[in-house]
Order: sequence, then structure tokens, then C-alpha cells
Amino acid sequence: ILNVEQSPQSLHVQEGDSTNFTCSFPSSNFYALHWYRWETAKSPEALFVMTLNGDEKKKGRISATLNTKEGYSYLYIKGSQPEDSATYLCASKGLLAKAAGNKLTFGGGTRVLVKP
Amino acid sequence: NAGVTQTPKFRVLKTGQSMTLLCAQDMNHEYMYWYRQDPGMGLRLIHYSVGEGTTAKGEVPDGYNVSRLKKQNFLLGLESAAPSQTSVYFCASSYSIRGYEQYFGPGTRLTVT
Repeated sequence: ILNVEQSPQSLHVQEGDSTNFTCSFPSSNFYALHWYRWETAKSPEALFVMTLNGDEKKKGRISATLNTKEGYSYLYIKGSQPEDSATYLCASKGLLAKAAGNKLTFGGGTRVLVKP
Repeated sequence: NAGVTQTPKFRVLKTGQSMTLLCAQDMNHEYMYWYRQDPGMGLRLIHYSVGEGTTAKGEVPDGYNVSRLKKQNFLLGLESAAPSQTSVYFCASSYSIRGYEQYFGPGTRLTVT
């Protein structure tokens, strides 16, 4: 059982619509939360690294929020476009992992398909 | 600047055969990682290295060995491949201090029959 969980596993979005999905992670000994975007047949690429409770990050039409007290992060896509179709991975890093190689624990991903 | 590269991209092995996957990075990163990706399981850490000459076990190390003789290279070995090791393998690297994000290679698709 992954202790980093993402929901939903997949979702279909109509072009132009906005959407959001969730990453849940252990709130104890939290250090950082990463979001990666993973397009089919490519490598995962970092979107955001978030460390502070209440953090909000934005890159173009994609943004993310962080709640470290309750252990969740939301990723939002505003006005979805077909090029946003990808799997979005979140990964958490605890204090112990930071001290041991910056290890990340990944969730299973949310696969987003934007329909034209 | 090639980033993180992996060799080979695809491989088919028979049960019991051995092979080595090569990961190379040209960003002078201290840390390097090997993950496997299976459907519904996300990325799971096999082994990692915090510097030249050092390696450590990750979440799913059994059946794999690694070596980091040079800072830029991280090798993943399968001594006796099993069908359960059919997976997509990703290498990643990162700085030890700043940035924290990991940079991933293109992946190696391995099938063990």
C-alpha cells in the first residue's frame, strides 16, 4: 500500500474546462512535496517543489497548493488544453529521507486526458 | 548538455540471464537513483547513491545490484532475471542541496520471458 495516494487514478476533461486532483501524503515528519508531469513516451519532468504549509505555486495554467498539517496537495489545471494530457505524479519527502539521499515516495499518479 | 541518459532503451531477456543497465548524467549531480515503474504502482525506488563509491537500498532492492564507480555513472545489474522484473526502469539524479527536484532519464523497457 502506497502511503502517498493520488485520486482519481484517471480523469477525462473537455478542452477548455478546468480540473483538479489530489495527492495525500503522511503529514508527520514532512519535508517537501514534489509534483511531476509525465507525458507518454517521455521522462517525468518536475513541475513544483513545495515545502511550506499554505504554499501555492503556479506555472502557466497549472497551479498547486499544499496543506502540510492535514497532508494533502491539490493540482489545478485551468482551461485544459490537449497538450495538458499526461500523468501527474506527486512525491513526498520526509525529514529522514532528506537526510538519506533525498529519497522520494511517489504516488500512483493521476492520468489526465483532455478531449478536443 | 544531454541531461540523464539510459542505455539500452529496450531489452528482452530470458529467465536466468543477466544484464546491466547504464545511467549517465552530465549535470555533476551528487545523488542518483534507480526506479521501476509498474502499472498502478507508481515509481518505486530500487537503489540509490549519494556519491561516488556509495550505494544504498531503496524500497524494492531484491534481485538487483548497483555500482557507482564514477560520479556521472550509475549501473543497475540483474544477475539472474525473473519474469517479475519485467518493468520500465528509470534512472534519476539530483543535487544534494539546492533544487531538490530529480531529473529523469528516458527509461528502459525490460521484458523477461
